[in-house]
Order: sequence, then structure tokens, then C-alpha cells
Amino acid sequence: AQSVAQPEDQVNVAEGNPLTVKCTYSVSGNPYLFWYVQYPNRGLQFLLKYITGDNLVKGSYGFEAEFNKSQTSFHLKKPSALVSDSALYFCAVRDRKAAGNKLTFGGGTRVLVKP
Amino acid sequence: KAGVTQTPRYLIKTRGQQVTLSCSPISGHRSVSWYQQTPGQGLQFLFEYFSETQRNKGNFPGRFSGRQFSNSRSEMNVSTLELGDSALYLCASSPPGRGGQGYNEQFFGPGTRLTVL
Repeated sequence: AQSVAQPEDQVNVAEGNPLTVKCTYSVSGNPYLFWYVQYPNRGLQFLLKYITGDNLVKGSYGFEAEFNKSQTSFHLKKPSALVSDSALYFCAVRDRKAAGNKLTFGGGTRVLVKP
Repeated sequence: KAGVTQTPRYLIKTRGQQVTLSCSPISGHRSVSWYQQTPGQGLQFLFEYFSETQRNKGNFPGRFSGRQFSNSRSEMNVSTLELGDSALYLCASSPPGRGGQGYNEQFFGPGTRLTVL
């Protein structure tokens, strides 16, 4: 079975400060890891993914994430947050050994960036 | 390319009724997945279809069913609606990966907001 934990329901950060959204995962094998963002009344938008190779992954809108196998973590980061980054963020995992595209999502973290 | 489209965007039904939701994937995508999003349970996987065959199924009762057509469009059906079925239903499509392995990201539609009264 696979699972994802996002330990913070909400993260508050001032505009211009670094933003970190935490994610830990559990899979029986090696993971594919994803971050998505959701704005109000919208579907999910893909930010970035870890497949293999470099542990630091760069994605859309200045976001990046670091894969840490020993800590089973995949934290999302942005060096300088914008008010427009305020949204709901989801981490997701897929077991490489599993067939198909089923994603298991974390509970989501609401990010509020204050001007 | 046009994105994933879902119709209708909003639905209001009463308990006991049934509902059909539709999803058109991005052109060329053959995998379509459905998710239910609620405040209490978060995002939960319903099922995935690939080339008209159900490839994965989540832990939902048999009232939830789906199908995929030869043009990759998909529908999901919920019969005998319950209050707890009120949710945002999201459809996602994904391009094929080498060897069928799912390392590609999924592209989500805007969702169908279902309210059961």
C-alpha cells in the first residue's frame, strides 16, 4: 500500500520569504513523486515530478522539490513566495512497480502568502 | 492542445437518483482516471481506464462505475445517490509512457461539482 502525509494543514508566509511545504511518503518499492496546486474552483495543476536522477527537481513558477530517499520526503520549496502562490498544494505518489497511473494524494496544505 | 474537459460543471441531484459525468481527455491521451475530492476525505482515486479497459479501481462501492469509449472519452456513473456523494469529481488524463509505466504526470480537468440534496 502507498500513502502520503502532509503534516501541515496550513502554511503562512510573508511575501518575499522562502516557502516550504512538507511531504513524506510510503511505498513498497521506489516512487514516482508529484506536486500539484489547486486554485479555488479549479482542477489540479501539475508543478513538478521526481522520476529518477538528480534529487533536486525544478518545476513551474519557480518551485522546486528535493527528493530524500533516506527520509522518504519530497518537500516543495520556493525561494521567494508571491501573494499569487496562495493556493492548496498536494503531494502525490505512485509506486513504480504498479501498473497504470493511480495516484495517492496527501491531504493537502493550504498556503497563505501575506503581502 | 485543448485541455481535459468535463461536463457538466455543476449538478444538483436528490438522494436516490443517478448521475452520469463525462470527461474528454487531451487528444492522444489514452489513460483516463477519476478522483473524488471532499473536504473530509481529500482526494481519493475512483478508477482508471486505458484503451476501454478498467486498469485500476479504488475502494468505492459498486454504485460507482465507469467506462471508456474508443475515442478515449470516459463517463462515470453513480447510482442511488447518497448525501455523502456530494463532492468535486475530477477527471485526469495521461499520455502513454514507455512500456506502459506511469511516470508521466496527469492533466486534470476543472471538475464536476455534484451536490446531492
